[in-house]
Amino acid sequence: RKEVEQDPGPFNVPEGATVAFNCTYSNSASQSFFWYRQDCRKEPKLLMSVYSSGNEDGRFTAQLNRASQYISLLIRDSKLSDSATYLCVVKGNTGKLIFGQGTTLQVKP
Amino acid sequence: GAGVSQSPSNKVTEKGKDVELRCDPISGHTALYWYRQRLGQGLEFLIYFQGNSAPDKSGLPSDRFSAERTGESVSTLTIQRTQQEDSAVYLCASSLVPHEQYFGPGTRLTVT
Repeated sequence: RKEVEQDPGPFNVPEGATVAFNCTYSNSASQSFFWYRQDCRKEPKLLMSVYSSGNEDGRFTAQLNRASQYISLLIRDSKLSDSATYLCVVKGNTGKLIFGQGTTLQVKP
Repeated sequence: GAGVSQSPSNKVTEKGKDVELRCDPISGHTALYWYRQRLGQGLEFLIYFQGNSAPDKSGLPSDRFSAERTGESVSTLTIQRTQQEDSAVYLCASSLVPHEQYFGPGTRLTVT
C-alpha cells in the first residue's frame, strides 16, 4: 500500500464549479500535512498547509480527518487558472515529505 | 531573490554512461532534497540533506545512485552506468522549514 494515495483523475469541471479532492495516508503517527500544486511540466509549489481544525485560503479549503487518515482540498468557484495537478503531501518520520501521485484538475470554459 | 537552480536543464546520455546533476539551493536553506519524477507519475523521494549530512537516503534506487553536498550549499546527484529506466525529471528542492520546499526547474534526463 502506498504511504499517500490519491485518485489521479482527471477531474474535468466547468468554470465556477466546486470540486473536492481526497487523499488518504497510511501512517497514523503522521503529524503534518500539505497540499502542493504542480502545473504541467513545471516544478511543484506549496499551496497550503492542512491544520487539524481545517483552514481556508480564499477559494481553497483544506480539511484533515485523523480518525480516517484522510485529507481533503475543496476549491470553490473554479477558475481556468486552477487547472493543474494537486499533490497531497505528508511529512514523514525523518522530516522528509512524502508526495502522493497527484490529482489532475482541468477547468473548462 | 534567486531561487533553486539546476543544471543541466536537459541531458541526453547513452546507456552505460555516468551523469552528474547539479543543484544550487536558495542561499541559507539548510535542507536539500532530491526527487525523481517519471512521466505522468508522482514525485519519488531519493535523498535528503540537512547541512552536508544525509539523514535519509532511503529513496536511492540502487548503488548506482549517489549524492553529496558540500559547504551546506551545492549538491550533486551522480548516476553511474545509466539505464533506460533512469530516464525522468530529477527535481531538487531546498527549505528552511521542512514543509515549505522550494523546487528547482528540474533536469530532464533521457537515457538512449
